Amino acid sequence: AQSVTQPDIHITVSEGASLELRCNYSYGATPYLFWYVQSPGQGLQLLLKYFSGDTLVQGIKGFEAEFKRSQSSFNLRKPSVHWSDAAEYFCAVGAHLSGSEKLVFGKGTKLTVNP
Amino acid sequence: EPEVTQTPSHQVTQMGQEVILRCVPISNHLYFYWYRQILGQKVEFLVSFYNNEISEKSEIFDDQFSVERPDGSNFTLKIRSTKLEDSAMYFCASSSSLQETQYFGPGTRLLVL
Repeated sequence: AQSVTQPDIHITVSEGASLELRCNYSYGATPYLFWYVQSPGQGLQLLLKYFSGDTLVQGIKGFEAEFKRSQSSFNLRKPSVHWSDAAEYFCAVGAHLSGSEKLVFGKGTKLTVNP
Repeated sequence: EPEVTQTPSHQVTQMGQEVILRCVPISNHLYFYWYRQILGQKVEFLVSFYNNEISEKSEIFDDQFSVERPDGSNFTLKIRSTKLEDSAMYFCASSSSLQETQYFGPGTRLLVL
């Protein structure tokens, strides 16, 4: 069964600093990978996804993520964080190739942005 | 931009009562999902629904839970007899096909007293 690990529960960065949120997955085949963001009181908004092809994917709000099969990772990055990026970030893996439709989420990383 | 909507945004109920959570998926989507997030925990898959039947469900989705698409637009989750541990945020999602992105609604926060 697939699983996702987000090792950092909480990260604090200063506005303008770079950001990297870690995500490691476990899945036997090529996974479908997603990053979602959840602002307080809001739903889950898709930031970006990887299905196949170029391993560096661009998303909304200036985010990007790189799929590294050898490390089973899909880390999220942003070169310069804005105060509005403060939110909780969830990495998720889908196992569509096995016929399963569910997404399996990590526990999330809460991002605090200091002025 | 089309979006998934959910009602109500908050619901408080007494233990043992039935609740129905409602969702309007994106109009041309064919696959529908419910997930839940207990406070402080990860988002967990409950059930997926396609072609008017459940296509996959988790071990959480026991006989107390049911889903229905009563008309062409709504997708509902019913909890027959709520328990304290059902308190959570419930998210509805939809996708156009099995291999496409799931788009999530804003959630319904359910509190069982």
